[in-house]
Amino acid sequence: SYVLTQPPSVSVAPGKTASITCGGNNIGTKSVHWYQQMPGQVPVLIVQDDRDRPSGIPERFSGSNSGNTATLTISRVEAGDEADYYCQVWDSRTEHGVFGGGTKLTVL
Amino acid sequence: QGTLKQSGPALVKPTQTLTLTCTFSGISLHKSGLRVSWIRQPPGKGLEWLARVDWDDDEFYRTSLKTRLTISMDTSKNQVVLIMTNMEPADTGTYYCAASRDTFFNQWGQGTLVSVSS
Repeated sequence: SYVLTQPPSVSVAPGKTASITCGGNNIGTKSVHWYQQMPGQVPVLIVQDDRDRPSGIPERFSGSNSGNTATLTISRVEAGDEADYYCQVWDSRTEHGVFGGGTKLTVL
Repeated sequence: QGTLKQSGPALVKPTQTLTLTCTFSGISLHKSGLRVSWIRQPPGKGLEWLARVDWDDDEFYRTSLKTRLTISMDTSKNQVVLIMTNMEPADTGTYYCAASRDTFFNQWGQGTLVSVSS
């Protein structure tokens, strides 16, 4: 089965840039989606199809995808960005949804 | 975009069957092009995709749970139902229905916390 690997945690100071990676075999050939989940809340889609932002998502959130790594970049990090972040793909070979293990973003 | 409202039990006993319902409001499932998945999250852990049903009745299941899961779409009731048999304590978690017309999930139900305990 297809596996997505994320770092368990990332820490960043306010105002700086956070990068959260999502590794997978030839992930660059897949569409990667990213979700933000605040404690006790429902996940929210923040990046779709590698780099597109749904309506209402700030431009500070951006995505890229190439080779074996997709990356979610959060610019000018704010305290309110503290959350768990998940990458996700649909593996067309197995017809399965696949999530990464999640990354907890801590704002120092 | 419509809204998704989940219903189902908060507590089931081991070996029992769990039935969860996701009811759509403001959008008709009939010929909608929607793909509806169930996703769960054990306490303190990550998201796990379970199953998907499409507007054309195609069904997809997590391989490891395939024998225990049934997903179905009832367009007359505008609902998607997930049935999971032989529940065990390891199945405890929050269950979400989620939908979109693509491979991402941009509409989510409110989540149902299901505890499996005798």
